[in-house]
Amino acid sequence: NAGVTQTPKFQVLKTGQSMTLQCAQDMNHEYMSWYRQDPGMGLRLIHYSVGAGITDQGEVPNGYNVSRSTTEDFPLRLLSAAPSQTSVYFCASSRGGASNYGYTFGSGTRLTVV
Amino acid sequence: AQSVAQPEDQVNVAEGNPLTVKCTYSVSGNPYLFWYVQYPNRGLQFLLKYITGDNLVKGSYGFEAEFNKSQTSFHLKKPSALVSDSALYFCAVRDSGYALNFGKGTSLLVTP
Repeated sequence: NAGVTQTPKFQVLKTGQSMTLQCAQDMNHEYMSWYRQDPGMGLRLIHYSVGAGITDQGEVPNGYNVSRSTTEDFPLRLLSAAPSQTSVYFCASSRGGASNYGYTFGSGTRLTVV
Repeated sequence: AQSVAQPEDQVNVAEGNPLTVKCTYSVSGNPYLFWYVQYPNRGLQFLLKYITGDNLVKGSYGFEAEFNKSQTSFHLKKPSALVSDSALYFCAVRDSGYALNFGKGTSLLVTP
């Protein structure tokens, strides 16, 4: 049981390049989300999904796209990287529903845009 | 939207002393509150949650949190701090659609 797996762990991009951050979970969780963590700002929600085929925007969605074709995978796409997207990105999943389990987080992707 | 605030950027405590990390919340309806811990270069780990029931919630690693409705607070506590407790602590509240809204985090430093 691997939990939430994020790849890559580190990435350096040039301004204008595109890339996809991968996130996979093997816990059959319905709910998945992407956060970015910046110093002094805590974690901010980028996009989330409550199930396969359903996604929605969070607090800071601009410059990012997501899709959820399967329950397991929730990739985050940077369309045209900008220095302001330099951050640490975390994927999280939850069983959701009335049980209100806590989230399980991946170990993060540290992205630098130069 | 539901929100939480962590008024302290950093908390310093000596090993063996009790520790408190503060969190206040602003919600409509009943709050679903969480505490997470982040060690350097790691993802966040779930510590405990309050949904309903007893105001004192016990969690992992000897931590507990006290829910106070009149003060809209959910402070994290531990009776005796360890150096290994030094980390970044986040309070969070569940928003609609199961999203979690996080505070800005409090850095806890426990000195020997």
